[in-house]
Amino acid sequence: GNSVTQMEGPVTLSEEAFLTINCTYTATGYPSLFWYVQYPGEGLQLLLKATKADDKGSNKGFEATYRKETTSFHLEKGSVQVSDSAVYFCALKEDNFNKFYFGSGTKLNVKP
Amino acid sequence: SQTIHQWPATLVQPVGSPLSLECTVEGTSNPNLYWYRQAAGRGLQLLFYSVGIGQISSEVPQNLSASRPQDRQFILSSKKLLLSDSGFYLCASSRGGYTFGSGTRLTVV
Repeated sequence: GNSVTQMEGPVTLSEEAFLTINCTYTATGYPSLFWYVQYPGEGLQLLLKATKADDKGSNKGFEATYRKETTSFHLEKGSVQVSDSAVYFCALKEDNFNKFYFGSGTKLNVKP
Repeated sequence: SQTIHQWPATLVQPVGSPLSLECTVEGTSNPNLYWYRQAAGRGLQLLFYSVGIGQISSEVPQNLSASRPQDRQFILSSKKLLLSDSGFYLCASSRGGYTFGSGTRLTVV
């Protein structure tokens, strides 16, 4: 079956620190991989995505590379800001279906 | 682009009371619609999806039901809420792209 595992939070960092949120997946086919972000009081927003192995998704300074050999899609940012404080969800979607499988979410707290 | 309206944002309901959460979609027609739930400390889980009016597929057995009376309207219901129904409920639409609503935080007391 399909599943996504991501590191538990909360993750607390100081401003300008380096961020890594680990995500690994299990899939029966060839999924697309996503990172969604949920700011306080808001719905989920697509942060970045990658549709095939070795693709790198990037947006707002965040990056993640689709690693088929390690079934991973780790989220990274070189220098976090207070405004990056949110909950981050890793997710996969099989190509033949329009259903998402989400990780449990990782809460990021960035302190000034 | 499609926009999803979901209400209310927060809801506190007693055990045994009924539930009705509504989701409407603008900016597209004939979308696939989805209800997800996030229980405390867990990821988002797909509850129901619908590919058209009156067509509902349930992903997990539970105390909830869904209906799609109109093309762009998706309703999540329960006749009698349980404590375990507490969580964060998200509606989503996919038609060329996937869009989430802002969610409803339901607390059953």
